[in-house]
Amino acid sequence: AQKVTQAQTEISVVEKEDVTLDCVYETRDTTYYLFWYKQPPSGELVFLIRRNSFDEQNEISGRYSWNFQKSTSSFNFTITASQVVDSAVYFCALSEVYTGANSKLTFGKGITLSVRP
Amino acid sequence: GAVVSQHPSRVICKSGTSVKIECRSLDFQATTMFWYRQFPKQSLMLMATSNEGSKATYEQGVEKDKFLINHASLTLSTLTVTSAHPEDSSFYICSASRSVPYEQYFGPGTRLTVT
Repeated sequence: AQKVTQAQTEISVVEKEDVTLDCVYETRDTTYYLFWYKQPPSGELVFLIRRNSFDEQNEISGRYSWNFQKSTSSFNFTITASQVVDSAVYFCALSEVYTGANSKLTFGKGITLSVRP
Repeated sequence: GAVVSQHPSRVICKSGTSVKIECRSLDFQATTMFWYRQFPKQSLMLMATSNEGSKATYEQGVEKDKFLINHASLTLSTLTVTSAHPEDSSFYICSASRSVPYEQYFGPGTRLTVT
């Protein structure tokens, strides 16, 4: 069975600090996808990134970067120079690849990030 | 592209009544739609998966007679909460998926309050 663990529950930082959100996953499949979503107070999920299990390259998008390490089953997310607008709940999720459209997403419990001015 | 809408965004209903939530994929055809429930300060929990024209597949512990799902077309799925009770108050989120590229597009959610 799939499992996603986000051990951190709440993180509070001061604006401009860097912050890393941890994600550890478990799956018996060799082919899978990992995701990060942001959920601001409005509630709507915002897609941040998808990474497939064969692509271990780290990715950077502006102030966001992701570190995928299969050896430790981790997919960590770093926000550089955090801003107040980054305050939200962040979810890591895992999808096995069955028939594509029917792939279920398993979510971690989420990390509440508060960025103080 | 890949926009999913939900209606209504908020609904308040009295205990014992039924409420219907619509989920629409606006600019693509969704072969599969998913329904999630999220209680305050908790994660998203998958309730059911529905494919157009077939019966929904419910997750363990979800009452299919209480949460009726209809996926009548490739752009519309509905979730009806029947005989709602205060414990059904929650944030309901739908998502829609195309076969490729294995990504779910989420709706903005519906906040249900049962009084």
